[in-house]
Amino acid sequence: DIQMTQSPSSLSASVGDRITITCRASQSIHTYLSWYQQKPGKAPELLIYSASTLQNGVPSRFSGSGSGTDFALSISNLQPEDFATYYCQQGFSSPRDFGQGTIVEIK
Amino acid sequence: QVQLRQWGAGLLKPSETLSLTCGVYGGSFSDYQWSWIRQSPGKGLEWIGEITHTGSTTHNPSLKSRVFISVDTAKNQFSLMLTSVTAADTAVYYCARAVSGYSRYNYYYNGIDVWGQGTTVIVSS
Repeated sequence: DIQMTQSPSSLSASVGDRITITCRASQSIHTYLSWYQQKPGKAPELLIYSASTLQNGVPSRFSGSGSGTDFALSISNLQPEDFATYYCQQGFSSPRDFGQGTIVEIK
Repeated sequence: QVQLRQWGAGLLKPSETLSLTCGVYGGSFSDYQWSWIRQSPGKGLEWIGEITHTGSTTHNPSLKSRVFISVDTAKNQFSLMLTSVTAADTAVYYCARAVSGYSRYNYYYNGIDVWGQGTTVIVSS
């Protein structure tokens, strides 16, 4: 199985900040990497797929990068609605595991 | 606009079988992978498995041989069965649509773009 490790587990930031969350795969997954946002009591929402392709309707302040084993999700000009938990997921092989999540909190 | 609506028993006793069904409304059934994901209280997301419209399945080995995923193309539904449940199976279970397949022999996985509303399943004696 491919292990997905996110860092940090949590971070505190202010409105207007730029933040970056990283995700590392235990072996190469090429660009088969998706990012999701989840708010309390809600289902996750797809933000980015294929490592860097923005899902329709997602604001352009979200961006993704990386290939192989190292990936990043960046959010520029952090907005109040961006405080949530973020997950990466690999789609290269089964089981299509998720990272453990990163909680983004208001400082 | 495709929607997923899921249903099934929410309270089980240990050793019973969890059974959930997900209906797909308003979209194609044949072009996607139909997935199940769960989230234990206060925890992260766990991928359970997926199935195609042809019935080809794959699941998480961590659940050993307890998982069965099936599809009913006539009804545009897919189902999850998890046998011999324990308290560790207490979670919110989501059905979902993964944009994945082959295009001109090239594999693609474009993430899980549609989710069901979630079903809370509690296993307790």
